[in-house]
Amino acid sequence: SQQGEEDPQALSIQEGENATMNCSYKTSINNLQWYRQNSGRGLVHLILIRSNEREKHSGRLRVTLDTSKKSSSLLITASRAADTASYFCATDPRTKGGSEKLVFGKGTKLTVNP
Amino acid sequence: DAGITQSPRYKITETGRQVTLMCHQTWSHSYMFWYRQDLGHGLRLIYYSAAADITDKGEVPDGYVVSRSKTENFPLTLESATRSQTSVYFCASSEALGTTSYEQYFGPGTRLTVT
Repeated sequence: SQQGEEDPQALSIQEGENATMNCSYKTSINNLQWYRQNSGRGLVHLILIRSNEREKHSGRLRVTLDTSKKSSSLLITASRAADTASYFCATDPRTKGGSEKLVFGKGTKLTVNP
Repeated sequence: DAGITQSPRYKITETGRQVTLMCHQTWSHSYMFWYRQDLGHGLRLIYYSAAADITDKGEVPDGYVVSRSKTENFPLTLESATRSQTSVYFCASSEALGTTSYEQYFGPGTRLTVT
């Protein structure tokens, strides 16, 4: 079963605009991660935010985490055509005995039009 | 080359045949993972390994076998391929300290078609 669910499923914007993707999850987590996948390629790690963090930045990326609402958002500012990709959130569920496994959502397909 | 590689990149096989997908990483990461990616299902974990000779089932292990005799290699075998196993398969590796997951590094994927 999927732990994280991204919203929207697809997003189309113009170059220079900001893109916001959301992720909701169901159980307590140790951390939440965002990955990018370009067409036909493997996933690439973007950012990791721990359960005790509320916001994290990396370049044009800004991630927020609200553990009370069990949700996270990924904001890409000043988008470029090269940002066109699918974006996945992955949660590290907090379980008894620990967990080394991530649970991935189904992804948001972002298209940035030049 | 440094990193994580998968072979073959593309494979067509017939129903009932045995197929092995290879995965090799050069970072000496403890953890390795196999996922399948299908439209509408996202990424699903098949098997994972915490170290050499330690493997465990993921969400969708039926029909698959794994082994890990060396830290750097984690082959995935489909013992008798079925059409439902047509998918894109990704291998990944990571370090994990304690009970928390860390970032995973993914290979380029193997596109498998079972006819």
